[in-house]
Amino acid sequence: EGQLLESGGALVQPGGSLRLSCAASGFSFSNSVLSWVRQAPGKGLEWVASISGSGSVTYYADPVKGRFSISRDNSRNTLHLLLNSLRAEDTAVYYCAKDYRVAGIYYFDSWGRGTQVTVSA
Amino acid sequence: SYELTQVSSVSVSPGQTAKITCSGDALPKQYVYWYQQKPGQAPKLIMYKDTERPSGTPQRFAGSSSGTTATLTITGVQAEDEADYYCQSADTSDIYVIWVFGGGTKLTVL
Repeated sequence: EGQLLESGGALVQPGGSLRLSCAASGFSFSNSVLSWVRQAPGKGLEWVASISGSGSVTYYADPVKGRFSISRDNSRNTLHLLLNSLRAEDTAVYYCAKDYRVAGIYYFDSWGRGTQVTVSA
Repeated sequence: SYELTQVSSVSVSPGQTAKITCSGDALPKQYVYWYQQKPGQAPKLIMYKDTERPSGTPQRFAGSSSGTTATLTITGVQAEDEADYYCQSADTSDIYVIWVFGGGTKLTVL
């Protein structure tokens, strides 16, 4: 199923920007759809964005559309999430996750340990 | 996209049976998946396709689904089962897959 390791989380001021990274190993990276999922303090899981294996298709949850950008570097087996115009409500642990999508079956079969993003003045 | 609704908390004594439900209008058409999350850890898949257990999920965990409600049943709850449980499904009504999570259920083992 593979291994994922996030990095880049930090304390940032409202309106600021941050770039998260996720290093992957143990699976065919360029053939895998990948996603970011976040979890605000004491709250549930929220899907944020997904990207196709080639990187040509990206899509986002409504709360982050226009502010966040998901990308990948298949030569380095690395996934990124650029967070712009950050708001207090973006404070969360951000997980990268590997999608399993086969024959009508959709779930996340690998998760990283997460990286903390805190938006505060 | 649609929503999945979970009760916020369930409490049981060790050895008892815990039932955690997940409701959503699209569940008759989509499978449900269940994740277990312990404090400070990433979610872990414990049930897929409504009723299937991945390797490593103890047999005391069982999944079922009927109509708009899916249920995760833990028979003979153990202290180590204390965790948050999330149901998940997928909205495939558009060209993209939109991932949908329930709000989570905190299982407390008394």
